[in-house]
Amino acid sequence: DVKVTQSSRYLVKRTGEKVFLECVQDMDHENMFWYRQDPGLGLRLIYFSYDVKMKEKGDIPEGYSVSREKKERFSLILESASTNQTSMYLCASSFRVPNNSPLHFGNGTRLTVT
Amino acid sequence: GQQVMQIPQYQHVQEGEDFTTYCNSSTTLSNIQWYKQRPGGHPVFLIQLVKSGEVKKQKRLTFQFGEAKKNSSLHITATQTTDVGTYFCAGVGAGSYQLTFGKGTKLSVIP
Repeated sequence: DVKVTQSSRYLVKRTGEKVFLECVQDMDHENMFWYRQDPGLGLRLIYFSYDVKMKEKGDIPEGYSVSREKKERFSLILESASTNQTSMYLCASSFRVPNNSPLHFGNGTRLTVT
Repeated sequence: GQQVMQIPQYQHVQEGEDFTTYCNSSTTLSNIQWYKQRPGGHPVFLIQLVKSGEVKKQKRLTFQFGEAKKNSSLHITATQTTDVGTYFCAGVGAGSYQLTFGKGTKLSVIP
């Protein structure tokens, strides 16, 4: 079974702090994704990566950056956390081929910025 | 950009009643996927539809993909309390590789 592990289930950070959210997958998936989930807004794609050191902006990349130095690890970085970044963050991974390969999600990190 | 609309946003049903959620895309889709998220959990892949007019069943769940590949539905027959959760559709536009999620339908089942 695919396992996608997010480093923290809950995080509380202060406004202006630099925040790192880590995600590791164990299935040798090429694609990795970061989504945020907010009530009434569904799942919105922040960034994705289809290979090591490659990244693509999703629908809402502003205020975020990502890092993929190793195939199994995809990090989401909030350079200067703000209260409107309080949300549930979900990491996911999939095979690149076929390009409609299903996503496997981690358990999520609920981030609160005060 | 591609938009995927999902209705209704919420549905409350009595246990044993049927339930349907609908998904509509602004553009033709190459495929559509369905996910279920239990309360407090993460989305879990249910099924993928690829062919025009395709119908697939998983026990009490029936999934359909429209002839024009722009809409899809999920129907649950005789709901049970274990069906509680939020159901998401997610589509890949023709010629694209990015998955776009609908906002989900939150299903509550009254015992």
